[in-house]
Amino acid sequence: DSGVTQTPKHLITATGQRVTLRCSPRSGDLSVYWYQQSLDQGLQFLIQYYNGEERAKGNILERFSAQQFPDLHSELNLSSLELGDSALYFCASSGPHGGREKLFFGSGTQLSVL
Amino acid sequence: TQLLEQSPQFLSIQEGENLTVYCNSSSVFSSLQWYRQEPGEGPVLLVTVVTGGEVKKLKRLTFQFGDARKDSSLHITAAQPGDTGLYLCAGATGGSYIPTFGRGTSLIVHP
Repeated sequence: DSGVTQTPKHLITATGQRVTLRCSPRSGDLSVYWYQQSLDQGLQFLIQYYNGEERAKGNILERFSAQQFPDLHSELNLSSLELGDSALYFCASSGPHGGREKLFFGSGTQLSVL
Repeated sequence: TQLLEQSPQFLSIQEGENLTVYCNSSSVFSSLQWYRQEPGEGPVLLVTVVTGGEVKKLKRLTFQFGDARKDSSLHITAAQPGDTGLYLCAGATGGSYIPTFGRGTSLIVHP
């Protein structure tokens, strides 16, 4: 158990819809990272938050947004969903206990867009 | 274009065999990490290497960072079914500490 909690574990929705994925980082970790994993692209970095502030952006689409709340949990919002958005979405956290490069990943949310 | 190229993409071997998987790039990394991911789970960090030429051992797993810090290898001795999984390398470049991942090597060890 990494200590990172992601919900829901599975999500099935239709094209054009909007979903919210939730992540609770390990206790004490201030950074949250979101990654998307698909068969054709592998594990792609989307966005990072540190203590409530956006810290870095990767290959995140404009239809996607994220935020980190004062209690440090994070949400990834995906809107106007397309078939190609079907993927595994991972949240990871890092912080003073493991050093900033040591990422602890949650079990992921499997998103299926039909 | 992938920053990190991993090979082979798939590997299916018998218990007890040795294997090596590779992670190559044209970029220089300030650090390189290896993760293992099992089905239905997120990647789990195995090791971080930071110095060119560095070798780290984790039981039957030996990790090496290339002298130029552009490549790395993972060698598994006497593989066991419990080693089955997706092995991912991830590198951080320059001042960024956000790992960029390769696509991984999918390993299956048959009993």
